[in-house]
Amino acid sequence: EDQVTQSPEALRLQEGESSSLNCSYTVSGLRGLFWYRQDPGKGPEFLFTLYSAGEEKEKERLKATLTKKESFLHITAPKPEDSATYLCAVRGGSTLGRLYFGRGTQLTVWP
Amino acid sequence: DTGVSQNPRHKITKRGQNVTFRCDPISEHNRLYWYRQTLGQGPEFLTYFQNEAQLEKSRLLSDRFSAERPKGSFSTLEIQRTEQGDSAMYLCASSSPAQGATLTDTQYFGPGTRLTVL
Repeated sequence: EDQVTQSPEALRLQEGESSSLNCSYTVSGLRGLFWYRQDPGKGPEFLFTLYSAGEEKEKERLKATLTKKESFLHITAPKPEDSATYLCAVRGGSTLGRLYFGRGTQLTVWP
Repeated sequence: DTGVSQNPRHKITKRGQNVTFRCDPISEHNRLYWYRQTLGQGPEFLTYFQNEAQLEKSRLLSDRFSAERPKGSFSTLEIQRTEQGDSAMYLCASSSPAQGATLTDTQYFGPGTRLTVL
């Protein structure tokens, strides 16, 4: 079965302190790796889709990268408004539509 | 707002009661998904519709759970004889088929329905 493991479970950063979140995955025939942001009590908000090793995507202070076994979400000079839970999910070739999610990394950025 | 909408946003019920949730997808999205999320966990897949056809179901979807999408637009998720273990956030997502160079479609989530079973 497809699996996703995220680390760390929680991360506290001072404003401006850059860091990375990790997503390790096991999937048969990767058809997409997704990053979402989730604020408390809300649904996940789409950030990025990555398809193949070596691919990178950026949006404001966030940059997502992909290798054959893991993905990283790099956060450069974070601000308090970046505080949220970041979820990683994969879609494999053996399923029609389902995404397999990790448990997420809870990021707190303090001023 | 043209995003995915879900109603109600919150539901409190007593054990043994039946509850029904509604999801309205983004217009022109023909694919619809239900997930369940408990505290500290990522969303877990429940079921998937393409138009009105239910194409995939998780083993999590016990016989007390049923989902429908009668006209290929909105969907309902019903839980019969609720149990305390059903307390969770129920999320709906929608997507349209991947086009061009993309390999897979992106699922866009609604705000969720928070269910509390007393």
